[in-house]
This record gives sequence, structure tokens and C-alpha cells, in this order.
Amino acid sequence: EVQLLESGGGLVQPGGSLRLSCAASGFTFSSYTMGWVRQAPGEGLQWVSTINGPGGSTFYADSVKGRFTISRDNSKNTLYLQMNSLRAEDTAIYYCAKDLVAAVDRRGWLDPWGQGTLVTVSS
Amino acid sequence: EIVLTQSPATLSLSPGERATLSCRASQSVSSYLAWYQQKPGQAPRLLIYDASNRATGIPARFSGSGSGTDFTLTINSVEPEDFAVYYCQHRSHWPSLTFGGGTKVEIK
Repeated sequence: EVQLLESGGGLVQPGGSLRLSCAASGFTFSSYTMGWVRQAPGEGLQWVSTINGPGGSTFYADSVKGRFTISRDNSKNTLYLQMNSLRAEDTAIYYCAKDLVAAVDRRGWLDPWGQGTLVTVSS
Repeated sequence: EIVLTQSPATLSLSPGERATLSCRASQSVSSYLAWYQQKPGQAPRLLIYDASNRATGIPARFSGSGSGTDFTLTINSVEPEDFAVYYCQHRSHWPSLTFGGGTKVEIK
């Protein structure tokens, strides 16, 4: 069974940093593109970042570019999101998600998702 | 940027009724559209991808249709566990992924 378990969320002051982790199991982690999607309280879903299987290609939403860094350790089956210069508008539940299939031409469907970790940016 | 507009915002139904949810794209996304279900306090779950393909384990009462700019998610005979928020999403400009604003299906 595929499982994704996020951790690392919490309360941080504006301008602070936080690193989220997503531990994966039940599939060949290095073969799949992975991503982060966030959901502000009471709001919809917003794509944050994506990384390919080997980890050499990374992509970001404009709202986090230059502040967030996605990475992965395929030897540990773990995905990361380093978040710096945090702002109040970054407050959200952060979900990690696996691409549905490994095929390069079929990327972009997210399945499954982890249970999420809450990041609150407030003084 | 392609914008996805979902309607209605809220759909009030009784169990056993049919639900018809709409997702309209501001420009063509071909068949690169998915639907997700999110229940309160839970992560989203993929229901439909490539506009009409059911994900593994999704009941046959869920079906997707459409292409280009107009898409529909239909739930035949809504079950009590189907009351949730539904989001559409496109991948036509991968790696950027865009979600619609959601439709809440509530008990009438």
C-alpha cells in the first residue's frame, strides 16, 4: 500500500523558516515525480512545487519561487520542502502527493496524497 | 494562465439523486483534466483523470466527461459518503497545476 506521511509543520514567525518532510513507502520512490500542494484555512487547493524522480528538475509556483526549495533523498524515500522568509499568506495545510504514474508524458495527476501538515505563520 | 471555473458553488441533494458538477476552462485543456474529492479533515482523493478515466477503487457511480473547455463530473445516485467538496484540476501547462475553486455537495 502506498503511504505518504508528512511532518515538520508548526507555528513560525513571519520571516522564519521551516522544513517539511514527507516519508514515502509502498512504491519505488525514485521512479515518481512528487509534489507539494497547499490549502489555506477554508480555501481551495494551490500547487506549490514539483520535483522529478531523480531530483534534478524542480519547479515552483510564482508565489513561492526564491523562498521555497523542494528536494528529495531517494535513499531515504523522503521528500522535503524547505520554506524560508515565511509570510502570513503561507499559512496552510501542506500536502505531499505522488504522481499517479511514472510515465514522463503522463505527469500531473496526483495520487495519493498524504494527510497534510499545518504550517501557521504568525507573530 | 488557464483558469478553471466550477459551478455551482454548492449543490444540495438528497441521497439517491444524481449530481452534475461543471468545470469550465478559460481556454482548451484538451482532455488533461482531473477531479478530486475532499471530505472534511481529509486529504483530497483522485477520482477521475484524463477527463473520463476512473482512478483505482473509485465506484462506477462516478463518471467524468468532456474535452476542450467544458467538463462534467456526474455522480449517479449520490450515497451518504459522497457529500464532500469536489475540485477539478488541469495539467495542460505541466509542471504548473491549476485547481478550480471547488463545488460543495451537501445534504438537502
